[in-house]
Amino acid sequence: GQSLEQPSEVTAVEGAIVQINCTYQTSGFYGLSWYQQHDGGAPTFLSYNALDGLEETGRFSSFLSRSDSYGYLLLQELQMKDSASYFCAVRVNTNAGKSTFGDGTTLTVKP
Amino acid sequence: EAGVTQFPSHSVIEKGQTVTLRCDPISGHDNLYWYRRVMGKEIKFLLHFVKESKQDESGMPNNRFLAERTGGTYSTLKVQPAELEDSGVYFCASSQDTGGRGSEAFFGQGTRLTVV
Repeated sequence: GQSLEQPSEVTAVEGAIVQINCTYQTSGFYGLSWYQQHDGGAPTFLSYNALDGLEETGRFSSFLSRSDSYGYLLLQELQMKDSASYFCAVRVNTNAGKSTFGDGTTLTVKP
Repeated sequence: EAGVTQFPSHSVIEKGQTVTLRCDPISGHDNLYWYRRVMGKEIKFLLHFVKESKQDESGMPNNRFLAERTGGTYSTLKVQPAELEDSGVYFCASSQDTGGRGSEAFFGQGTRLTVV
């Protein structure tokens, strides 16, 4: 079967750094994406790793280790607006839109 | 540029009724996807259109679900007859390219379907 594991909830304070881990078991793997979703909103693409290593985009970084079937999303200098759900998603083939998603991690940022 | 839009944003129907959800992808995006999230669990893939053709419908749960994309523009997802377990949030997404490092899928805000 296909499965992605990520923590259900994470809490941190403003200004801190938080890491959201994702491990996966899928029948195909072309890359790992991360999406952010605020309550009632559209999931928004954050990052994509096809190769091992770290990708940095501003305050957000994403890491992938294909040999470990593991990745993480790192959020630095947390802000209140970062409170949201974060989904890791595996692209199971070359198709950008066909992904297997995790259950999502609810991040709560406290003052 | 308008993003992916979905209509309605919310729908409450009785078991046994029919509901049709609509998705307008970003203009120029040939690829359109339907997903749904049930009971706060993972967002699950339902199907993929390339223009008006169904490329992959491996995630469609059963024959009560019918998706169409006539003319290769907007798409509809009809549930007939609706069952209680169909309740959830139905997302539509679109992408310009099918793959490649720089391509990404853009999601709509979803339709929250409640079957009572």
